[in-house]
Amino acid sequence: DIQLTQSPSFVSASVGDRVTITCRASQGMSSYLAWYQQKPGKAPKLLIYTTSILQSGVPSRFSGSGSGTEFTLTISSLRPEDFATYYCQQLDSYPLTFGGGTKVEIK
Amino acid sequence: EVQLVESGGGLVQPGGSLRLSCAVSGFTFSDHFMEWVRQAPGKGLEWVGRCRNKADSYTTEYAASVKGRFTISRDDSKNSLYLQMNSLKTEDTAVYYCSRDLETAHGMDVWGQGTTVTVSS
Repeated sequence: DIQLTQSPSFVSASVGDRVTITCRASQGMSSYLAWYQQKPGKAPKLLIYTTSILQSGVPSRFSGSGSGTEFTLTISSLRPEDFATYYCQQLDSYPLTFGGGTKVEIK
Repeated sequence: EVQLVESGGGLVQPGGSLRLSCAVSGFTFSDHFMEWVRQAPGKGLEWVGRCRNKADSYTTEYAASVKGRFTISRDDSKNSLYLQMNSLKTEDTAVYYCSRDLETAHGMDVWGQGTTVTVSS
């Protein structure tokens, strides 16, 4: 099984900050990694798939990159509506797995 | 409007059974793989399983934690996805979401609002 470890698990940031979240896989994998945003009491929302493809309607301040065992989600300039929990997910092999999540809070 | 609506959650005793449904609308259900994902209270997301489309013979995949106890099925004529849960354990307590896969199956682009399952005596 591919285990995904996200870091940091918590980040305190201000509006306008650049935020980078890392997702490390326990073994090398393909580019089939997705990122989701979840707000309290709501379903997750797909932000990025296949490492770097922005889902339709997602603002361009979100970007993804990486390969092999290390992948990143970057928010170039944090907006108030971006305060949420972010999860990576690998769709390379079964069982599909999620990272533990990164909570982005207002500083 | 593309929509997924889960139902069937509730309180059940350990060892009991429950069947969740996910009614979909606004897209061609039969084209897409579908998923169940759950989230225990205060915890992260956990993939439960996948049901492929007719073109892929409706085959399924499961997480180890539910394999042999849970069964995913679908009825394309009713635009519905199902999750039959047997031998429920307290650790199955969670919000259960159904989701639609992208046509490439490399991400889940539409989610329902979730239905809550509580396993407790």
